[in-house]
Amino acid sequence: ETGVTQTPRHLVMGMTNKKSLKCEQHLGHNAMYWYKQSAKKPLELMFVYNFKEQTENNSVPSRFSPECPNSSHLFLHLHTLQPEDSALYLCASSLFVTSGASNEQFFGPGTRLTVL
Amino acid sequence: DQQVKQNSPSLSVQEGRISILNCDYTNSMFDYFLWYKKYPAEGPTFLISISSIKDKNEDGRFTVFLNKSAKHLSLHIVPSQPGDSAVYFCAATILTQDDKIIFGKGTRLHILP
Repeated sequence: ETGVTQTPRHLVMGMTNKKSLKCEQHLGHNAMYWYKQSAKKPLELMFVYNFKEQTENNSVPSRFSPECPNSSHLFLHLHTLQPEDSALYLCASSLFVTSGASNEQFFGPGTRLTVL
Repeated sequence: DQQVKQNSPSLSVQEGRISILNCDYTNSMFDYFLWYKKYPAEGPTFLISISSIKDKNEDGRFTVFLNKSAKHLSLHIVPSQPGDSAVYFCAATILTQDDKIIFGKGTRLHILP
């Protein structure tokens, strides 16, 4: 399988549940990202990982907990979410965090999350 | 404060005609701009980019124009095809600082038969 994959594609959870989103990239990239896309709002960067180290946390609430065990995998652990957290969560990867000539990021298909 | 603005939520263009998608930005430090295309149920796909040292970049049917003094860029698609119907995101970044890419809200393009 090539590119960036995300599972699950759809997730419905209650506010007391604990769930995890998974992202995997098969591109040999070293940087991975979590984005949130809410209705009628711009894409929001949540976390950046460079060589498995978190380099950016964009003021994300602690109920979102990322984990990057290696350069190919990125998780987003969810607990005690709120209904306003319902959104499309996109994972992306790029060769390096500061790639010089271009900053092309490759996106996964996203996980559509609904919090009841 | 929105640093990258796409003021048209949607645009309809006849097949075969030119589609022009506009984008404005407020941060004069941005030096690299990207356009992404997104189909329903898929993640955004990189389309074309332009560095601030250029004012035009062309790739097949897609051309991006940059007007630094006006802090404005546009994506031209000519001729427009049915498969171009998608949401187009404008994005900007500062290459020399970090990899944070700031996205606009997107413009939904409908290509009419």
